[in-house]
Amino acid sequence: NAGVTQTPKFRVLKTGQSMTLLCAQDMNHEYMYWYRQDPGMGLRLIHYSVGEGTTAKGEVPDGYNVSRLKKQNFLLGLESAAPSQTSVYFCASSRRREKLFFGSGTQLSVL
Amino acid sequence: AQSVTQLGSHVSVSEGALVLLRCNYSSSVPPYLFWYVQYPNQGLQLLLKYTSAATLVKGINGFEAEFKKSETSFHLTKPSAHMSDAAEYFCAVSEGNDMRFGAGTRLTVKP
Repeated sequence: NAGVTQTPKFRVLKTGQSMTLLCAQDMNHEYMYWYRQDPGMGLRLIHYSVGEGTTAKGEVPDGYNVSRLKKQNFLLGLESAAPSQTSVYFCASSRRREKLFFGSGTQLSVL
Repeated sequence: AQSVTQLGSHVSVSEGALVLLRCNYSSSVPPYLFWYVQYPNQGLQLLLKYTSAATLVKGINGFEAEFKKSETSFHLTKPSAHMSDAAEYFCAVSEGNDMRFGAGTRLTVKP
């Protein structure tokens, strides 16, 4: 079982560049989430989705966009990367109010 | 919106000693509460969850947590720490469609 797969695992960007992180899950989960993890701040919710074609803002949505065109995929986009977006990004999926299944993370550095 | 506060960013115990990690939550509706563990360079794994059934919840690896509505707390305990318990622990709350995490507590176990 693949579970939740994130690509890429590492990425270095220059300020102002754009990129897309891909999250794919094979568990037929309705709910998908993007979090960022920074030292001393835990995981903060960026955006989430409760089903195909739906998205919603989390705690720290500014500077990010998301799309859920297919149930199994949840994309996170950075249109103009900033050094403050240097972080480890985790995707997760779940059934409603059930445990989250996490991907292995993407380490992003913005120079 | 729901939120979680974890008291103590670092906790250090001796091997064999009691582990107590504190979590307080705020929620406008009966919450679902979770504890996750993160080992270095890995994603998060579920330890246990509370979903309004029994107030004392048993999880994996000998951990348990007690839901106390009057104190809005969901503290995590383990009677006897093992070296392998060294990790970062996150409390999380789900009020509706999303899940919010605390800042985390890093547990160190001394031999």
